[in-house]
Amino acid sequence: EVQLLESGGGLVQPGGSLRLSCAASGFTFSSYDMSWVRQAPGKGLKWVSNISGSGSNTYYADSVKGRFTISRDNSKNTVFLQMNSLRGEDTAVYYCASSQWRGPFEDWGQGTLVTVSS
Amino acid sequence: EIVLTQSPGTLSLSPGERATLSCRASQSVSSAYLAWYHQKPGQAPRLLIYGASNRATGIPDRFSGSGSGTDFTLTISRLEPEDFAVYYCQQYGTSPYTFGQGTKLEIK
Repeated sequence: EVQLLESGGGLVQPGGSLRLSCAASGFTFSSYDMSWVRQAPGKGLKWVSNISGSGSNTYYADSVKGRFTISRDNSKNTVFLQMNSLRGEDTAVYYCASSQWRGPFEDWGQGTLVTVSS
Repeated sequence: EIVLTQSPGTLSLSPGERATLSCRASQSVSSAYLAWYHQKPGQAPRLLIYGASNRATGIPDRFSGSGSGTDFTLTISRLEPEDFAVYYCQQYGTSPYTFGQGTKLEIK
């Protein structure tokens, strides 16, 4: 059974940093791209970032480019999202999701809430 | 960026009825890279349809997808109580991998 478990969310002040983790199990992690998708309270889904299975290719939404960094540790079956210079508009539930190369987001974690507020 | 516009914003129907949801893209999307998800309150999204018309594992055959180019449709042939949720389309062929704004399917 595929499991994706996010952690690392919480309350942070504007300008602060947070590192999210997503621990994966139940599939061959290094063969799958991983993405982060966020959902602001009461709003729709917004893709944030994506990393290839090897970690060699990364992609970002314009709204987070230069502030967020996605990475992965295939030896630990974990993907990370380092979030710096956080803003109020980054407040959201952050989901990690798995996909085969150029595939849909097949499996999703339960999400972790990030709140940016003073 | 490919913008996906879903309609209607809210669809009010009764169990047993047929639901038709629309997703229109600002530029052509390869059918191979169009997906539909639904999301129930407090839950993560779930993949329903990929490649515009292929059902994901475990998705009942009352769900079907169609379309090409810039116009795509999700049809639920006979609504069950568990189908009432928010539905999103997504294109995953071109970064950024955009989602539509969602259609809320509610019980009439």
